[in-house]
Formats: sequence, structure tokens, C-alpha cells
Amino acid sequence: GAGVSQSPSNKVTEKGKDVELRCDPISGHTALYWYRQSLGQGLEFLIYFQGNSAPDKSGLPSDRFSAERTGGSVSTLTIQRTQQEDSAVYLCASSLRFQGAFFGQGTRLTVV
Amino acid sequence: GENVEQHPSTLSVQEGDSAVIKCTYSDSASNYFPWYKQELGKRPQLIIDIRSNVGEKKDQRIAVTLNKTAKHFSLHITETQPEDSAVYFCAANSGGGADGLTFGKGTHLIIQP
Repeated sequence: GAGVSQSPSNKVTEKGKDVELRCDPISGHTALYWYRQSLGQGLEFLIYFQGNSAPDKSGLPSDRFSAERTGGSVSTLTIQRTQQEDSAVYLCASSLRFQGAFFGQGTRLTVV
Repeated sequence: GENVEQHPSTLSVQEGDSAVIKCTYSDSASNYFPWYKQELGKRPQLIIDIRSNVGEKKDQRIAVTLNKTAKHFSLHITETQPEDSAVYFCAANSGGGADGLTFGKGTHLIIQP
């Protein structure tokens, strides 16, 4: 596709369940980011993938969060044993190295 | 790692006036500085960027300046219009191998009619 695609757009899950969020970056983009944004707040960095380098996981808030990027393209962010404080919009972005990042439309996660 | 500070957190200006948002960064190896605009309920959109080999860049009513010595960069919007109301984020890449973008906390720009 022409832009970064995320799925699902909305996800409601029960506390304690696991969720998987998917990101399809722009074709050819070597860099991929995950951010979290709570209502009215800024962009909280979660994880950054660049080519075949080891990912920068320094923003993951706990060991319940993990992310993979298979084949240098699609990425999945997994949240285990979800908590209510995990409720937020999860944004994925991709870029060429040393270029501006383009964001997906986000996944709105609600933990009830 | 990189640290980006952004000020002010909220800025209210009269329609037609200019608005300036300022950011500082910590990593002297940073060489790429994009700005994003996020309208309510929408994704952040890249509006302008600047690299460390230039001091200023303009695109119609928006301009960005960079002072490498002081490690700060600014976004200037002239002749503000109601559609400029949004949250603006600055960002800087990290130097060296860990070259991901670090974002400022955002500025909520309000254009008063």
C-alpha cells in the first residue's frame, strides 16, 4: 500500500488477556517505530527497528510488552496480561534511515 | 541517548500573528530534525524538516531554523490561520548507530479568531 497500515483500528480486550497489534510499513522502509499515545498526551517511544540491527527496546514499559519484525517488514507488538493502564493509541511509523517517519492511523486499545 | 525538550507546552496566538515553537537537543551528533503536526484524532504528519548542514528552511508560511552550536531548533509559522490549530512535535535523530527519532512532548497551538 501507499502508507503505513495498522490493524486492528480498534481493539477492546478484557484485563489479563493478551493482544497483538500489527503494523505494515511502507515498502522499502528500513526503520520501524512503535509509539504509545494516551489521550491528550505526547508520543511515548516504545521500540525502534533499523534494518538487521538489534532493536532499541529501551522504551518498553515492562516485560509484558514485546515486539517482532519479521523479514524486515511487518511488525507485531504484543502485550501480555493487559492492564487498564495499557489503554492508549498505539502508533507505528516507518522511514528510510535518516529520513522523516510516516505514521499509521494507529490502533486504539481499550482494556476493560 | 538523545533528549529533546520542547517549549512552550501551550501557545495561544491571534489569527494572523506569528507563532514560534522552540526545541533543544542534547546529542551533538544529531543531524536530522523533523517537525510534525497532529490534528485532533488524527495521526502525526511530517510538515517540514531540516538537516544539520543548513541553518534555515522555508515552505510557504512555515520555516525552521537550526543553531547547531546552541543545539536548538525552532518552528516559525507566519500569518497563522485557524487550520494551524493542532499539536506540534519536534524530533531529533540520535547520532551513531542508535539513530532513531526522539520526540519532544509537543506544543498545543491555539489560533484565536
